Amino acid sequence: DAGITQSPRHKVTETGTPVTLRCHQTENHRYMYWYRQDPGHGLRLIHYSYGVKDTDKGEVSDGYSVSRSKTEDFLLTLESATSSQTSVYFCAISQDRSSYEQYFGPGTRLTVT
Amino acid sequence: GQNIDQPTEMTATEGAIVQINCTYQTSGFNGLFWYQQHAGEAPTFLSYNVLDGLEEKGRFSSFLSRSKGYSYLLLKELQMKDSASYLCAVRDSNYQLIWGAGTKLIIKP
Repeated sequence: DAGITQSPRHKVTETGTPVTLRCHQTENHRYMYWYRQDPGHGLRLIHYSYGVKDTDKGEVSDGYSVSRSKTEDFLLTLESATSSQTSVYFCAISQDRSSYEQYFGPGTRLTVT
Repeated sequence: GQNIDQPTEMTATEGAIVQINCTYQTSGFNGLFWYQQHAGEAPTFLSYNVLDGLEEKGRFSSFLSRSKGYSYLLLKELQMKDSASYLCAVRDSNYQLIWGAGTKLIIKP
């Protein structure tokens, strides 16, 4: 299994509070991604990174920001959480953009009340 | 817009064969992927098709027709552990994965 972890695994927070989710990899892969998964929807890309300090927006980036100061860590921040951001968040990694596979972390279940 | 369609849910019997279809309309095409996701777990890679035809990997096979925007995943000799959601995804011209909502496969004894 690819070495990819996410923290926290579960979080309940209140509307309006800031939240940061962490993704950590030990594979030295260049690309890292943040997705959200909601019932009835496919995985939707929030942001991705193609190197240290190199990030770009995905399909559903509004209300989210990211940072990557080290190859192994990719942080997702909800500046002011809203109930619509209640979801399961998955981090994924790949060696490059044309890799066969993306390897997924175990996910973080976030509930915004 | 970009769209991936697959059935929401399918039911099959242990030991049987099931085919899960996926149709897509995307901005460009750089490969089609199938992932398996057990409830409460992360998706895991099953197969990749970039050329037309059938790719076989053990009990699982995946077929692609680019001209028809169509793929299917074929699962043979179904086992109870195959109960999971199966996700179809297409890599578009920007090399981003566009995901279907997944097909929940229920296996009955």
